Amino acid sequence: DQQVKQNSPSLSVQEGRISILNCDYTNSMFDYFLWYKKYPAEGPTFLISISSIKDKNEDGRFTVFLNKSAKHLSLHIVPSQPGDSAVYFCAASDGGNKLVFGAGTILRVKS
Amino acid sequence: NAGVTQTPKFRVLKTGQSMTLLCAQDMNHEYMYWYRQDPGMGLRLIHYSVGEGTTAKGEVPDGYNVSRLKKQNFLLGLESAAPSQTSVYFCAADGAAGGVFFGPGTRLTVL
Repeated sequence: DQQVKQNSPSLSVQEGRISILNCDYTNSMFDYFLWYKKYPAEGPTFLISISSIKDKNEDGRFTVFLNKSAKHLSLHIVPSQPGDSAVYFCAASDGGNKLVFGAGTILRVKS
Repeated sequence: NAGVTQTPKFRVLKTGQSMTLLCAQDMNHEYMYWYRQDPGMGLRLIHYSVGEGTTAKGEVPDGYNVSRLKKQNFLLGLESAAPSQTSVYFCAADGAAGGVFFGPGTRLTVL
């Protein structure tokens, strides 16, 4: 029973366009959400986060949107660059120090 | 400042053999974690520690043991390796507002 779901295993986007990665969760106790980026043979690295008291958080080309009623969040990357090609993991926390991760989405940005 | 380091990077074991994975952090963080990453499953928490001398079970603890004798080190042990434990193992340390920082991973194959 996956509490955090990333239903798209992969996404392919043209360079310069917008990449939208989606994540759904089932646990209504989750109040903090994070996105991690992972390159091959490396550990995941923190990208951006959002608290449940907000519905949007922006950091440069990366924006995370949270829709609490739908239990859905999304990561927007604009404009997408070839260096953004990686696996993106959505993660959630219920206020404790344990994160629950989704299965990941492979993003390929074509030049 | 190396952040989170893991030893070894790769290992091949035969079924029934034992081994210990070492994680070290130089950030003075209290919380440390061991995750495993499997295709289509994301990262799943094996065990974690909220401070020196403490450990707790995560989502998939069976077949593993851990120890946190020193704050900077978190060891993951496999007493009798099984093919189902073939995975990539990631150690992480909690940086609070900055999210969780991951090591580069250990790729373990159990034959």
